[in-house]
Amino acid sequence: KQEVTQIPAALSVPEGENLVLNCSFTDSAIYNLQWFRQDPGKGLTSLLLIQSSQREQTSGRLNASLDKSSGRSTLYIAASQPGDSATYLCAVNGGSNYKLTFGKGTLLTVNP
Amino acid sequence: GAGVSQSPSNKVTEKGKDVELRCDPISGHTALYWYRQSLGQGLEFLIYFQGNSAPDKSGLPSDRFSAERTGGSVSTLTIQRTQQEDSAVYLCASSLFINEQYFGPGTRLTVT
Repeated sequence: KQEVTQIPAALSVPEGENLVLNCSFTDSAIYNLQWFRQDPGKGLTSLLLIQSSQREQTSGRLNASLDKSSGRSTLYIAASQPGDSATYLCAVNGGSNYKLTFGKGTLLTVNP
Repeated sequence: GAGVSQSPSNKVTEKGKDVELRCDPISGHTALYWYRQSLGQGLEFLIYFQGNSAPDKSGLPSDRFSAERTGGSVSTLTIQRTQQEDSAVYLCASSLFINEQYFGPGTRLTVT
């Protein structure tokens, strides 16, 4: 059974700092991995999708990497801003059953 | 274009009543998913549709839960004889085949 772990559970940084969020998964036979952002009381916003054959994806100040063999992904946020404050969720898609298995998330607070 | 929409956004119901939650996926998306987000359990997969058929119902927590999808579009999640433990945010997502999943804003269900 796939299990996804996110470390740290919470992170507080000053504005402008670069930061890394970590995600690990137990079964490396994944189809893709998605990073989401969730604001309080809202749904999930997809940030980046990495296919199993890819090593990284970039969107603006965000860069996600994937090391499938070691079961790890990182989300790098450059020059953090208070508007980046949210919960960040990592989810893996095993392919055969299409469902996403989620981690518990990292609650990020960027202080002005 | 329009994203995934869900209705109602909030639902308060009495224990024992039936509820119906609706999801309108992104037009043309073949796959539709229901997930549940609760404080203790995080985000859990409930059911997946490909077209109008549901090849994976493995996440439905009990036989009180059912879902259908019609016309390859709208889906309804029905919970019969609601219990307090059913209180959660119910999230719907859609995707084009096994690809990036896009989530709706969710329905917050409170069972009193």
